[in-house]
Amino acid sequence: DGGITQSPKYLFRKEGQNVTLSCEQNLNHDAMYWYRQDPGQGLRLIYYSQIVNDFQKGDIAEGYSVSREKKESFPLTVTSAQKNPTAFYLCASSRAGQGAAYEQYFGPGTRLTVT
Amino acid sequence: EDQVTQSPEALRLQEGESSSLNCSYTVSGLRGLFWYRQDPGKGPEFLFTLYSAGEEKEKERLKATLTKKESFLHITAPKPEDSATYLCAGRGNTDKLIFGTGTRLQVFP
Repeated sequence: DGGITQSPKYLFRKEGQNVTLSCEQNLNHDAMYWYRQDPGQGLRLIYYSQIVNDFQKGDIAEGYSVSREKKESFPLTVTSAQKNPTAFYLCASSRAGQGAAYEQYFGPGTRLTVT
Repeated sequence: EDQVTQSPEALRLQEGESSSLNCSYTVSGLRGLFWYRQDPGKGPEFLFTLYSAGEEKEKERLKATLTKKESFLHITAPKPEDSATYLCAGRGNTDKLIFGTGTRLQVFP
């Protein structure tokens, strides 16, 4: 079955600790994305990558970092510099193409709680 | 600034009571308007992409339509299993999807 996996489903961390969220896809998609979802707000884009070894900041990149060493994987690190890290984090992937509007497919999400 | 606004925030329907969800957008150079369904604690599930005004797409009890300013998700004779949050998103001249805050639909038997 093709799809996107995120792990873990729930993650608890103490304030001041960095934490890495995993995202893997086997859809052979070139583009991958990280979003954050908070109650009452739309999904907000953190980082995205259109191709291996390249990524761009989204609208709320401060306090986050990513890497894209393999086409299938796009891990997100939430650093201690992120002021309000508790949220539901969603990874997505899509085909990529200049000017094209391809649908994004989402993983099941990781709920991060920092205390 | 690109923006997507969904209404109503919440909608309660009796089973079989048809209705529509609205998605108003101001997205420069709209290239696609997307609808997703999201169940509590899960990732959004892709439903439809609409590319140009006048386009319509259907799936079971759902039909999505698009004009130059808004999109509608029509739900015909809904069932309790249609209860979910429905998200709308637009993509314009940038590489980004602009999401609305969603409409939370509850269908009661």
